[in-house]
Formats: sequence, C-alpha cells, structure tokens
Amino acid sequence: IQLTQSPSSLSAFIGDTVTITCRTGQGITSGVAWYQQKAGKPPRLLIFDTSDLESGVPPRFSGSGSGTEFTLTISGLQADDFATYYCQHFISYPHGFTFGPGTKVDIK
Amino acid sequence: QVQLQESGPGLVKPLQTLSLNCTVSSDYINNGGYYWSWIRQPAGKGLEWIGRIHVTGASNYNPSLKSRVTISVDTSRNQVSLKLSYVTAADTAVYYCASNRYSVFDHWGQGALVTVSS
Repeated sequence: IQLTQSPSSLSAFIGDTVTITCRTGQGITSGVAWYQQKAGKPPRLLIFDTSDLESGVPPRFSGSGSGTEFTLTISGLQADDFATYYCQHFISYPHGFTFGPGTKVDIK
Repeated sequence: QVQLQESGPGLVKPLQTLSLNCTVSSDYINNGGYYWSWIRQPAGKGLEWIGRIHVTGASNYNPSLKSRVTISVDTSRNQVSLKLSYVTAADTAVYYCASNRYSVFDHWGQGALVTVSS
C-alpha cells in the first residue's frame, strides 16, 4: 500500500497552525503513525494509532482521520517544530511497514 | 527507556555484503513485547523499512529486499544484526535500528551511514 503526503513542503510562521495530510491508496482500518525528523537525527514518534499522542510529545501535536485520509496538525508552531514529518502505516504481511514521502516544514 | 546503537563498516564494496549490528539495552532485548527493526534512509530521501525480528527468532522482511536480507538476534550479546548481500550504490544510506512496538517504531538508534563504493 502506498502513502502520499501533501504538501511536500510548506513555509509557516511561528504561532501558525499547520496541517499535513497523508493519503492511502485504499481504505485502511489500522490507522497511521506520525514521525518528526530533524536534520542529522533519527525520526521521533509523535502520534500512533492515528490520534494517540506518544508520551512526552507536546499536546500542540494532534492527529485525526480515517479511511484513506489522515492528518497531523500542529497548533501554534514553535521554533523546535521546523522539521520533516512522515506518516507511516503497517499492513499485515507480506506488505509490512510503509512510510509516506515526507513533508518539510520550514520557517517563513 | 530502550537504547539502541548501530555499529559496523561505513564503506562496503559493490556486490559484497553489508553487515551491521545494533546493540540493544539489556533490559529490553528479551522483552517479548518488541520486535527489532532495520530501516534505511538514503541521503535527502525518505524512510524504507527493511525488516524485523522478534526475540523468538520470528522475522519478516520488506518484499522488495527479502531476497538479499537476513536479520538475526543474539540475546547473549544484546545484539540484532543486519546482513544485506550483493549491495550496489543504491544501497548507500543511513541505516537505523528501531524498536517496533505493535505497528510503530518507538525508539531509534542514531543511525549508521553505509556507503557502497569501490
């Protein structure tokens, strides 16, 4: 199953609310996860099961969606949030785990 | 908290076998609630899941890489190992090991850059 993300990049001001969309080629029931990756660092899990916040992740991050469309929202963008964001899905074998192509968020 | 650290040669010749180890914190390697995965990322590109293994030895691989990949676990050394055979320049990437909790990757190593070049 392939994941697409939109936009591929965006520029925003600190304090803005940003929404990133992840779409699947077919409806899925098991949800998606979202990761944040900064340059030269490994990804960090933010959201699992579509909308559950990983421990230690600020509540300005939220996830929603169902079927074929899922979103990550950052409410009140902070300087620390400028990074690339990936969605990820798991489907039973033989497919395994799939990542979206990423959305780069930078400062306007 | 799970800690993971990748290690291995940073340079591999074409058509040879890439070998990496991931040392996992000892409190967790035998935790049956985790799988241990390898994921790679070419420079400037996205993430690709390679495969995973459970402490029982059960493993699963990305269908696109399955014919070239072997992942193993050695609990006596707290290590998960990756072998990728017949490498080409397309296999040049940062290789991450990660703990796999249910359907997500909740802890990651810092990554190991492997370059395939003669």
